[in-house]
Amino acid sequence: DVKVTQSSRYLVKRTGEKVFLECVQDMDHENMFWYRQDPGLGLRLIYFSYDVKMKEKGDIPEGYSVSREKKERFSLILESASTNQTSMYLCASSLRGVSGNTIYFGEGSWLTVV
Amino acid sequence: SQQGEEDPQALSIQEGENATMNCSYKTSINNLQWYRQNSGRGLVHLILIRSNEREKHSGRLRVTLDTSKKSSSLLITASRAADTASYFCATTGYNTNAGKSTFGDGTTLTVKP
Repeated sequence: DVKVTQSSRYLVKRTGEKVFLECVQDMDHENMFWYRQDPGLGLRLIYFSYDVKMKEKGDIPEGYSVSREKKERFSLILESASTNQTSMYLCASSLRGVSGNTIYFGEGSWLTVV
Repeated sequence: SQQGEEDPQALSIQEGENATMNCSYKTSINNLQWYRQNSGRGLVHLILIRSNEREKHSGRLRVTLDTSKKSSSLLITASRAADTASYFCATTGYNTNAGKSTFGDGTTLTVKP
């Protein structure tokens, strides 16, 4: 089975801290994603990567950066955490291509910024 | 920009009843997928329907797609309490990386025992 593993399930960070959310997938997928999920707002794409060292901004990239140095790992970085970044963060991966590929999600990371 | 929009936002039914959720979208799509999310967990893929298909079945799930109306429906038959979850549609357009799908806001389904 495909597995997408997010390193931290629950985090509490202080305003201004630098925060790293790590994600690893074990199926050799080209695509990896970071989404943010807030009540009433659905899933919003923060960043997308289709290959090592490649990235594209999603719908809400402000305040975030990403790193993909290895194919299996995709990190989300909050350079200076703010309270409005309190949310659930979902990492996902999929094969690349236009035929329609299943997106596999991790279990989510609940981040609280105080 | 949000592509898929689910309707209703919330649905509450009794065990054994059927549950129908709808998804509308704005632009042409290559395929549409439905996902399920248990409370506080990640999303799990349920079913994919391509733009040239009209209906697909998987166990108790039935998905229809009407590209002329730009809408899809997910029917869960003989619902169970364990079907309680949020359900999301995700659309993928043409000329985009297949993984870059757009998700709707979801329908929250509650199945009462």
